[in-house]
Amino acid sequence: NAGVTQTPKFRVLKTGQSMTLLCAQDMNHEYMYWYRQDPGMGLRLIHYSVGEGTTAKGEVPDGYNVSRLKKQNFLLGLESAAPSQTSVYFCASSSDSFQPQHFGDGTRLSIL
Amino acid sequence: TQLLEQSPQFLSIQEGENLTVYCNSSSVFSSLQWYRQEPGEGPVLLVTVVTGGEVKKLKRLTFQFGDARKDSSLHITAAQPGDTGLYLCAGDVSRLTNTGNQFYFGTGTSLTVIP
Repeated sequence: NAGVTQTPKFRVLKTGQSMTLLCAQDMNHEYMYWYRQDPGMGLRLIHYSVGEGTTAKGEVPDGYNVSRLKKQNFLLGLESAAPSQTSVYFCASSSDSFQPQHFGDGTRLSIL
Repeated sequence: TQLLEQSPQFLSIQEGENLTVYCNSSSVFSSLQWYRQEPGEGPVLLVTVVTGGEVKKLKRLTFQFGDARKDSSLHITAAQPGDTGLYLCAGDVSRLTNTGNQFYFGTGTSLTVIP
């Protein structure tokens, strides 16, 4: 019952460092999403993918890049981390855009 | 600017009380979902409503989609400590706008049920 797995679960970075967050799903879902969750802001969509090899911008894409080289994996990259990117990041997947999204347990990222 | 506004933002009630949480927007949605999120975990889907005026019940939880498909409410009867969590509504406009994924989450209502 893995569902959606995010790694790492916690990370602390210094300003300017880069890192990649990994999301893996075992449900053969076409759609995958990256969100950030901040207090009082709910979940905001960063980027999403409608299938292997495709990516698209969401509501708050600046400062992030993504790749979907394999259907089961969706990577979120921060090229030069900034304190404003301190947040909890959630990955989700779904079989279609209007189907329920299945979420991972989140990655807590702090940028100092 | 938030597309979906939820109210109240925080709610603390005693066990056994009833409560209603609201999700409002000026936009029309093709469907709307309600999720519950517990600390340290991702949101988990509770229900999806699709038709304007639709009412769905899940045990003590009653969900209603507004007639114009712009708003929704979640009513909990006889709340229990296990209902504690962050309740999020999420609206889908993708089939209305034909612009790919347009899935928006509300700001959330944090509910605490005191034993």
